[in-house]
Amino acid sequence: EDQVTQSPEALRLQEGESSSLNCSYTVSGLRGLFWYRQDPGKGPEFLFTLYSAGEEKEKERLKATLTKKESFLHITAPKPEDSATYLCAVQASGGADGLTFGKGTHLIIQP
Amino acid sequence: DARVTQTPRHKVTEMGQEVTMRCQPILGHNTVFWYRQTMMQGLELLAYFRNRAPLDDSGMPKDRFSAEMPDATLATLKIQPSEPRDSAVYFCASGLVIPRGASYNEQFFGPGTRLTVL
Repeated sequence: EDQVTQSPEALRLQEGESSSLNCSYTVSGLRGLFWYRQDPGKGPEFLFTLYSAGEEKEKERLKATLTKKESFLHITAPKPEDSATYLCAVQASGGADGLTFGKGTHLIIQP
Repeated sequence: DARVTQTPRHKVTEMGQEVTMRCQPILGHNTVFWYRQTMMQGLELLAYFRNRAPLDDSGMPKDRFSAEMPDATLATLKIQPSEPRDSAVYFCASGLVIPRGASYNEQFFGPGTRLTVL
């Protein structure tokens, strides 16, 4: 069974204080690892897809990296508008297209 | 600005009543997913369709839930009869999914339907 574990569950940072969110996964074969951002009362918003170990992708203050067992979402010099819940999900290579999600990391950036 | 739309956004109903949720996927997407989000379980896949054909509904309670795609622009999720434990946010997502492919498998989510069953 595919499993995704995110840590920490919650993280409070000062504006400008860089940090990383962790996503550990167990999957029979990885087709893709996805990062989403979710704001309160809204649907998840797509951020990145990573396909193979060693791959990195960047978008503004966010950078996602991937190893064979985990992914990190690095946040550099965050701003209050980066506050949200960040969700990690995996898609297995066995043929099914649905995503298995972690519980998310609730990130708060204080001014 | 292409996006997934869902109706209604909020629904409050009483136990035993029928609930129907609707989703309009992004034009051109071939795959539609239904997910449910609760505080305890997080986001869970209920069912999904490709080219309007159901591919997997193993995440759905079969006795009360049903999902259909009457046409390429409409997906429905129905609960009959509803129970308090069905209270959750139901999300529809769509994507241009390449089966077993290694690229372009992003799924784009709608705003969700928040269901409360009393």
